[in-house]
Amino acid sequence: KNEVEQSPQNLTAQEGEFITINCSYSVGISALHWLQQHPGGGIVSLFMLSSGKKKHGRLIATINIQEKHSSLHITASHPRDSAVYICAVRGRSGGGADGLTFGKGTHLIIQP
Amino acid sequence: DAGVTQSPTHLIKTRGQHVTLRCSPISGHKSVSWYQQVLGQGPQFIFQYYEKEERGRGNFPDRFSARQFPNYSSELNVNALLLGDSALYLCASSLTGYTEKLFFGSGTQLSVL
Repeated sequence: KNEVEQSPQNLTAQEGEFITINCSYSVGISALHWLQQHPGGGIVSLFMLSSGKKKHGRLIATINIQEKHSSLHITASHPRDSAVYICAVRGRSGGGADGLTFGKGTHLIIQP
Repeated sequence: DAGVTQSPTHLIKTRGQHVTLRCSPISGHKSVSWYQQVLGQGPQFIFQYYEKEERGRGNFPDRFSARQFPNYSSELNVNALLLGDSALYLCASSLTGYTEKLFFGSGTQLSVL
């Protein structure tokens, strides 16, 4: 069973700061997802990674398969980025047979 | 195009009752997965279905069951409700359920009293 650890659990920063959220997992994976959850529950998929780096607007996600580690970066952070960011991994056993294993999330607050 | 829709949005039940939650995937998506999210925790995988077949099951008791219909919509059923079943139940759809982007519904908030 994969263990997914996120850090930090809570992060408060000022508008404009560069934000980094980390995710480590214990067993090899086929894919890693970064998700954003706003109050009220709705989850939006930000990235799906199996290697390397992806960028979308002010968001950058990287993954190091050898080190079993991924980071989500937010540049020029804004109060609207305030949300819970969740890392989720899919194992290598194939298909969806093992579903996703989720981290507990990082609660991010960006203050004006 | 409509996103993933879940119904109902909120539900209050008492212990021992049965509940059915529904999910309609994005048009063209053939895979639906279900997750339970207890307050303050990350979601936990319950089931995945693809082409009406169960593809995966998480570590949940047999009180939890699901099915997928020919139109790819899905139901999650929970029998003999316990207080600990109180949670947000999320549904996600994707094209095939393999390593691809997931699209989540807004969830059903279940309260068991």
